[in-house]
Amino acid sequence: AQSVTQPDIHITVSEGASLELRCNYSYGATPYLFWYVQSPGQGLQLLLKYFSGDTLVQGIKGFEAEFKRSQSSFNLRKPSVHWSDAAEYFCAVASGGNQFYFGTGTSLTVIP
Amino acid sequence: NAGVTQTPKFQVLKTGQSMTLQCAQDMNHNSMYWYRQDPGMGLRLIYYSASEGTTDKGEVPNGYNVSRLNKREFSLRLESAAPSQTSVYFCASSGGTLSHNYEQYFGPGTRLTVT
Repeated sequence: AQSVTQPDIHITVSEGASLELRCNYSYGATPYLFWYVQSPGQGLQLLLKYFSGDTLVQGIKGFEAEFKRSQSSFNLRKPSVHWSDAAEYFCAVASGGNQFYFGTGTSLTVIP
Repeated sequence: NAGVTQTPKFQVLKTGQSMTLQCAQDMNHNSMYWYRQDPGMGLRLIYYSASEGTTDKGEVPNGYNVSRLNKREFSLRLESAAPSQTSVYFCASSGGTLSHNYEQYFGPGTRLTVT
């Protein structure tokens, strides 16, 4: 069965510092991978996605993620965090059967 | 172009009451989904509809029913609400094909409390 693990429940970083959010997945075939962001009281917004090809994908708001098949990982990165990046971040994997599996999320706090 | 809309935004029910959550999308997407979000659990798929006229169970379907009324609308019904169904419910839609536009677009959510 497919699954997604986000090992960090909560991360705190200073504004301007770099950020890496971890995501590990379990899926037998080539996965379709996504990162979503959720601001308080809002729905989820897609940050970036990986389907195939270049393993480093660029997204919106200056985020990027790298797919590493050998490590079953799809970590999200940002070189310099802004206060407005404080939110909940979800990694997700999609199967060929139209089902999506989400991780439990990582809550990001940004210190001024 | 409103994207995915959900009604109502908030709802309080008593145990045993029924209600229907409505969802509509205007992006001509084939697939629609219902999720629930609980603290520490992430999003869990309740039901999905890969195309008009079809519905399938997700990870947590017990206590829920769905109807894909047409291509635009996908409703979620709680026949006899229980406190365990207190949650935030999200509807989502996607183009539904693996090769193109497979990403999901989410509605703003419905916050449901069952007392």
